[in-house]
Amino acid sequence: QVQLVESGGGAVQPGRSLRLSCAASGFTFSYYGMHWVRQAPGKGLEWVAVISYDGSNKYYAESVKGRFTISSDHSKNTLYLQMNSLRAEDTAVYYCAKSAWGSSGNFDYWGQGTLITVSS
Amino acid sequence: IQMTQSPSSLSASVGDRVTITCRASQSISSYLNWYQQKLGKAPKLLIYAASSLQSGVPSRFSGRGSGTDFTLTISSLQPEDFATYSCQQSYSTPYTFGQGTKLEIK
Repeated sequence: QVQLVESGGGAVQPGRSLRLSCAASGFTFSYYGMHWVRQAPGKGLEWVAVISYDGSNKYYAESVKGRFTISSDHSKNTLYLQMNSLRAEDTAVYYCAKSAWGSSGNFDYWGQGTLITVSS
Repeated sequence: IQMTQSPSSLSASVGDRVTITCRASQSISSYLNWYQQKLGKAPKLLIYAASSLQSGVPSRFSGRGSGTDFTLTISSLQPEDFATYSCQQSYSTPYTFGQGTKLEIK
């Protein structure tokens, strides 16, 4: 069965960096695009970034462009999100999610989420 | 592309038929998805491509629409359906979600 397990969350001061990981299993990782989606406390869902199935294409939300970098390691079946210059408004639960097919922009499996709190 | 849902919240009873509306700020063809999210849990894909039911989702859920106007209908509410529902466009990046509709028990 498909499993996505995020790790790397926690509390961090503004301006600092953090790297999230998402360990994938139960499907052929190299066949699917992967996404990060976040949800600030009490707010709606916000798509953050996508990496295509082969890693050749990456797209970001304007709110994180230039600060966040999505990457993947197919040998480890793991997705990453490097977050630099963190701001208070980046505080959210971060989910990794699998494209429903290919590198589609819909998400059929999600991780449990990891909370990032940016505060001094 | 901005996605606008209505209503933002809705009170209904078990057995009721409810409809949630989602409007896109420009045409997105049928690139519209619906998710259900329960408190403290990850979202779950219900409907993709505006009207296709995701595997394992009960048939009381249905979706319609194309272009800019879409609906999610639950034909007969069950206790487990009380949750927040969000639409999302997958037409182009940045992929965007509606603000969510919280469905509560009357």
